[in-house]
Amino acid sequence: NAGVTQTPKFQVLKTGQSMTLQCAQDMNHEYMSWYRQDPGMGLRLIHYSVGAGITDQGEVPNGYNVSRSTTEDFPLRLLSAAPSQTSVYFCASSSGLNNEKLFFGSGTQLSVL
Amino acid sequence: QKEVEQDPGPLSVPEGAIVSLNCTYSNSAFQYFMWYRQYSRKGPELLMYTYSSGNKEDGRFTAQVDKSSKYISLFIRDSQPSDSATYLCAMSESGSARQLTFGSGTQLTVLP
Repeated sequence: NAGVTQTPKFQVLKTGQSMTLQCAQDMNHEYMSWYRQDPGMGLRLIHYSVGAGITDQGEVPNGYNVSRSTTEDFPLRLLSAAPSQTSVYFCASSSGLNNEKLFFGSGTQLSVL
Repeated sequence: QKEVEQDPGPLSVPEGAIVSLNCTYSNSAFQYFMWYRQYSRKGPELLMYTYSSGNKEDGRFTAQVDKSSKYISLFIRDSQPSDSATYLCAMSESGSARQLTFGSGTQLTVLP
């Protein structure tokens, strides 16, 4: 039972580069989301999706894009990386929007130089 | 002022000690309260979930909510080295995953 799988685990980018963080879940969860975790800040919601084809912005969406073409996958795209996007990124899912019991992936540690 | 405040620690205790972890919050509309445990280089995992005020016990863990004081606690009895992790509180008004507000976490080390 894989749960929520994130790749890559580590990534170093140069300012201005783009990349996609991958997230996949095998629990048939409708709700998926992306968070960033910074020291002293707690987890902050970037984008979320309540089902295939439906996405919306969270608290800190600027500089990030998402799409949801299948129930299983929810990639996060950094369009033009900036040092302020250095963080640990977590993908999380739950069985529905009205279920706050989230299952998290293991995270991607991203450094932007 | 942050909506949810959590002492970052670090907190070190000897094995077998009773641990108390706390969060305070400012939004009186919060009704759903959670504790997540996060091991180093891993994602958070849900540990305890409570609705409104009162206590909830699960093995060595007890979650307590005092809405009148806007204060929640997690107690760990007979702490073990395997409890060494960062503990995050989280809360929401409506039960919506989109509206969860997380504390910044308390780092706990249980020394053998």
